Amino acid sequence: DTGVSQNPRHKITKRGQNVTFRCDPISEHNRLYWYRQTLGQGPEFLTYFQNEAQLEKSRLLSDRFSAERPKGSFSTLEIQRTEQGDSAMYLCASSLAGYSLHFGNGTRLTVT
Amino acid sequence: KNEVEQSPQNLTAQEGEFITINCSYSVGISALHWLQQHPGGGIVSLFMLSSGKKKHGRLIATINIQEKHSSLHITASHPRDSAVYICAVGDQGAQKLVFGQGTRLTINP
Repeated sequence: DTGVSQNPRHKITKRGQNVTFRCDPISEHNRLYWYRQTLGQGPEFLTYFQNEAQLEKSRLLSDRFSAERPKGSFSTLEIQRTEQGDSAMYLCASSLAGYSLHFGNGTRLTVT
Repeated sequence: KNEVEQSPQNLTAQEGEFITINCSYSVGISALHWLQQHPGGGIVSLFMLSSGKKKHGRLIATINIQEKHSSLHITASHPRDSAVYICAVGDQGAQKLVFGQGTRLTINP
């Protein structure tokens, strides 16, 4: 069990560029969640998958955001045409249904 | 008003003190989580509980479903306990969590 892995750890990008983050969950976990956390605040739910199906998306997830989980394994979160307001820590978590979540260390995005 | 409120927002104490962090929520839940976040971002799940009390080492979590209130206690606090402690509530089915804003705990030697 290597835990939940997120890459990259840090990403600095210029406004208007596209960025993609990857999350590798614990292998037997069927649920995968994306959260966003800004400085001094608790995480906010973005979206979650059960296996490869995206079951819920927050209204925080604008059209510029897209998430995928092909084959129900790793997941990617893409942000198109980044804005300064997208600067945040993006957290991924995985779980088995009904059990505690396991979080990755996050990807810190800075949009300049 | 946030759905999950924690108090205090910041807490500084001396090593060895008994620590209490409180969490109140306004929505119906099936489970409440206490999480620990260290500088750098990593979040560790401490407890998931839906009733009563759980204990793990020096940490104790309690929940009162009727009053919609939970507490996290740390006995014999130590500087390595310094972190942000976050309360989160969710539907045990989907586990889509709603988080409090966190309590920043600093334990001085």
